[in-house]
Amino acid sequence: GENVEQHPSTLSVQEGDSAVIKCTYSDSASNYFPWYKQELGKRPQLIIDIRSNVGEKKDQRIAVTLNKTAKHFSLHITETQPEDSAVYFCAWGSTKLSFGAGTTVTVRA
Amino acid sequence: GAVVSQHPSRVICKSGTSVKIECRSLDFQATTMFWYRQFPKQSLMLMATSNEGSKATYEQGVEKDKFLINHASLTLSTLTVTSAHPEDSSFYICSVHRDRVFQETQYFGPGTRLLVL
Repeated sequence: GENVEQHPSTLSVQEGDSAVIKCTYSDSASNYFPWYKQELGKRPQLIIDIRSNVGEKKDQRIAVTLNKTAKHFSLHITETQPEDSAVYFCAWGSTKLSFGAGTTVTVRA
Repeated sequence: GAVVSQHPSRVICKSGTSVKIECRSLDFQATTMFWYRQFPKQSLMLMATSNEGSKATYEQGVEKDKFLINHASLTLSTLTVTSAHPEDSSFYICSVHRDRVFQETQYFGPGTRLLVL
């Protein structure tokens, strides 16, 4: 699959603060950009996604922004809570997805 | 959403044996399923695309003769790890592709943890 760079690899935030994760992709043909949350030993869970014809999408405390020109998209989590602690993966593609390397998010109480 | 099951959830086998993992789409018919492998603290790596009624499409570097995929029905895809070796120990996850109007989504199974001794 194509490369997706994901930064940072680890992120520690104080409860209540915001967390931002950014991914950069290379294939301009991609049109679907989901974000997954994976807890230890469990399956990835879709938390939000965005398509290429939209620049921003929000669902309560979670938002995703997409810049197709720059080929990057970001996950924003506001008012973080301890249960937000997990590994987050960005992905891109259409039917077939490639995944970023993941970001381990730790929310400190 | 979609409900996806995998069986078994965990399996331990001896080196040289074969292991079959099943992925089932429980609430809709899936023409396309995907198989991923995830090593500890790493990302998901796509192994192959499983197409109902036709041959699977393997990603570069994945041996099709070692990882046999069969998608004989619209609700079941199987992955068989043949002649397993310790380096095949990993977390194997399937996903089901579901088309929706203006949206394409993958739904993941719970995964199968394989340990080869």
